[in-house]
Amino acid sequence: EAGVAQSPRYKIIEKRQSVAFWCNPISGHATLYWYQQILGQGPKLLIQFQNNGVVDDSQLPKDRFSAERLKGVDSTLKIQPAKLEDSAVYLCASSLGDGGTEAFFGQGTRLTVV
Amino acid sequence: GENVEQHPSTLSVQEGDSAVIKCTYSDSASNYFPWYKQELGKRPQLIIDIRSNVGEKKDQRIAVTLNKTAKHFSLHITETQPEDSAVYFCAASTDYKLSFGAGTTVTVRA
Repeated sequence: EAGVAQSPRYKIIEKRQSVAFWCNPISGHATLYWYQQILGQGPKLLIQFQNNGVVDDSQLPKDRFSAERLKGVDSTLKIQPAKLEDSAVYLCASSLGDGGTEAFFGQGTRLTVV
Repeated sequence: GENVEQHPSTLSVQEGDSAVIKCTYSDSASNYFPWYKQELGKRPQLIIDIRSNVGEKKDQRIAVTLNKTAKHFSLHITETQPEDSAVYFCAASTDYKLSFGAGTTVTVRA
């Protein structure tokens, strides 16, 4: 089966600029996650969607980060304005969503804010 | 929310020896505990998982144990090989939310 697709793979922006990441989950997966992985740390959940509804966004910095999942399929994560500390790999993952099932990860987008 | 702690942060083992990584979780409602392996520059990939109704699960050289009473679970890798060198993450799932530990960097010395 096709995996989770993310783009772009790499992005370099200046602080205060905006950036958007795109994710296409595995077909049929109801749950979609966005994680932030800072170098040397574990993935930190930013937001979780169940179909096109938000299940958890408690750790999303809502003053600068936003995310949406259109029609319960593709998702975009936006940062505006970016800060230096946003430099990280942004991982998208998806799962069937029936609880206790494997989450499949995309390759991630490596963001560098200079 | 769920808090997952993982130890040690780094682990160096001689090829052929065993490696053990331990995790604790805070939410007693957690019912699914996967382990992911992440090689440098690559995506995390599931290597083994266990559900709350099972105490132990084994897959070739990898095994996971779960103690629900103590709220901790462990990954055991036996007969380590150079290709086992990677970062390993434990995770706990509550209401479909997947929370990760900080990771353990495992280095297998030849």
